[in-house]
Amino acid sequence: EDQVTQSPEALRLQEGESSSLNCSYTVSGLRGLFWYRQDPGKGPEFLFTLYSAGEEKEKERLKATLTKKESFLHITAPKPEDSATYLCAVLTDSWGKFQFGAGTQVVVTP
Amino acid sequence: DAGVIQSPRHEVTEMGQEVTLRCKPISGHDYLFWYRQTMMRGLELLIYFNNNVPIDDSGMPEDRFSAKMPNASFSTLKIQPSEPRDSAVYFCASSGGGETQYFGPGTRLLVL
Repeated sequence: EDQVTQSPEALRLQEGESSSLNCSYTVSGLRGLFWYRQDPGKGPEFLFTLYSAGEEKEKERLKATLTKKESFLHITAPKPEDSATYLCAVLTDSWGKFQFGAGTQVVVTP
Repeated sequence: DAGVIQSPRHEVTEMGQEVTLRCKPISGHDYLFWYRQTMMRGLELLIYFNNNVPIDDSGMPEDRFSAKMPNASFSTLKIQPSEPRDSAVYFCASSGGGETQYFGPGTRLLVL
């Protein structure tokens, strides 16, 4: 059975304190791995798509990387506005069906 | 582009009542997804459509749930009769080509 596991469940950071979130997956065939950001009371907002091991994507203070079994979302020198829940999702078939992880809640304090 | 539009944004109803949630996908997108999000279970896929045709409804919890997509710009998720355990945030998402999904703002449902 396909599984997507995110860790840690929650992360509290001081402003400027870099850290990484993990998304590990066991799936029969990965077509793509997606990262989303979700703010309280809002829908998930798309951040990145990664398709193959070794691929990296960057956006401002965020950098996503992918290996054959996991993905990392690195947050460099975070700011309070980076506080959110970060979700990863895997796409494993040709019909567009995502499986989401439970998310990591990140709080960045000034 | 206005993005995915959902209505209502909030719904409070009493147990046993019918609830209808509405979604307008991004124009040109051929996939539409309905999700439910709770603290306990996270984001769960309920059903998705491709070109207005339901592809996979294995996530629909019970016969009380039904979804339709009469045309490319409108979909509904109906719960009849509603129960307190249906209380959750319901999201609609759409994608072009079955890849990156774009989510609406959600409907927060409370069943008393």
